[in-house]
Amino acid sequence: AQSVTQLGSHVSVSEGALVLLRCNYSSSVPPYLFWYVQYPNQGLQLLLKYTSAATLVKGINGFEAEFKKSETSFHLTKPSAHMSDAAEYFCAVSEGTGGFKTIFGAGTRLFVKA
Amino acid sequence: ETGVTQSPTHLIKTRGQQVTLRCSSQSGHNTVSWYQQALGQGPQFIFQYYREEENGRGNFPPRFSGLQFPNYSSELNVNALELDDSALYLCASSLAGTESLFFGSGTQLSVL
Repeated sequence: AQSVTQLGSHVSVSEGALVLLRCNYSSSVPPYLFWYVQYPNQGLQLLLKYTSAATLVKGINGFEAEFKKSETSFHLTKPSAHMSDAAEYFCAVSEGTGGFKTIFGAGTRLFVKA
Repeated sequence: ETGVTQSPTHLIKTRGQQVTLRCSSQSGHNTVSWYQQALGQGPQFIFQYYREEENGRGNFPPRFSGLQFPNYSSELNVNALELDDSALYLCASSLAGTESLFFGSGTQLSVL
């Protein structure tokens, strides 16, 4: 069965600092991997996705993630944090197309200090 | 392009009652998934519908049921509500053959 583990329920960075949010997955088949962002009182918005093409994936708002099969990881990074990046971030894995049974991690709340 | 819309936005029910939540998929999408998000947790997969048939289900009891209509809109029904059913219920649509989910803003259900 597929699963996702996000390391750290809360991450705090200063504005302009590197953002690193960690995600490890398990899957019995080559997975599709995603990062979603959730702002307060809103649904989830797709940041980026890995679908077996390039291992380094670029997303919206300057975020990127690298798929490392040997480490079963898909960490999210951004070189310079902005106040508007403060939100909840979810890593997710799917074993099929159409978003089939996409499974989410518990989430990491990102705080950005001025 | 119309996004995913859910109704109502907020709902208060008492234990033992039944509730129906509604979702309109994004234009062109033929697959809908429902998720339960308890406070401080990630979304938990309830089930997915494709071509009006249940296409996968998570670890939720049978009192959670759903429908998908020919226009791809969907309903989530929960019978015999329990206090632990209090959560944000999210609907997400997608297009078969693609990978990404597009979420609505959710329905906040409170069970008293």
